[in-house]
Amino acid sequence: DGGITQSPKYLFRKEGQNVTLSCEQNLNHDAMYWYRQDPGQGLRLIYYSQIVNDFQKGDIAEGYSVSREKKESFPLTVTSAQKNPTAFYLCASSIGGGGFIQPQHFGDGTRLSIL
Amino acid sequence: RKEVEQDPGPFNVPEGATVAFNCTYSNSASQSFFWYRQDCRKEPKLLMSVYSSGNEDGRFTAQLNRASQYISLLIRDSKLSDSATYLCVVNINPSMRFGAGTRLTVKP
Repeated sequence: DGGITQSPKYLFRKEGQNVTLSCEQNLNHDAMYWYRQDPGQGLRLIYYSQIVNDFQKGDIAEGYSVSREKKESFPLTVTSAQKNPTAFYLCASSIGGGGFIQPQHFGDGTRLSIL
Repeated sequence: RKEVEQDPGPFNVPEGATVAFNCTYSNSASQSFFWYRQDCRKEPKLLMSVYSSGNEDGRFTAQLNRASQYISLLIRDSKLSDSATYLCVVNINPSMRFGAGTRLTVKP
């Protein structure tokens, strides 16, 4: 079955710690995205990548980092610089092409909380 | 003004009712429009794309009004399983903008 796999489902971060959220897709999609969702708010774009070895900041990139070494994988690191990391993190992918034209398909998310 | 605005609801309707949601967007250059459905504590799932000519998928009809910059979603013959939050999504380059969602509860 093709899809997007995020892990872990739940993650707890200690103060001063960096944590990495995994996102893997086998849809052969070129573009991948990371969003954050807070209660009562719309999804906000953290980072996106339209091709391997290239990625761009979204609207709220501060305190986060990403890499795109393989087409299938787009891990997100939440660094200690992100002071309010508690949120629902969603990874998505779409068929390539610029301009955010294509619909995005989502993984089932990671819930991150501070210990 | 928010880039994508939706009535948060909640909309509480009986089974079998027809319900409509509207969504307004700020950027007249937007090219792609979608409705997603999100169940509680789950990921958003694509419900339908929205085309200029309007489109229908079973009980669901989506419309786009470029002049007034809004899109709509009509659900006919509501089912209990339609209970969810409906997200309006608009591409506003260089990003995709999500509305905060409209919550629908269908009651027996």
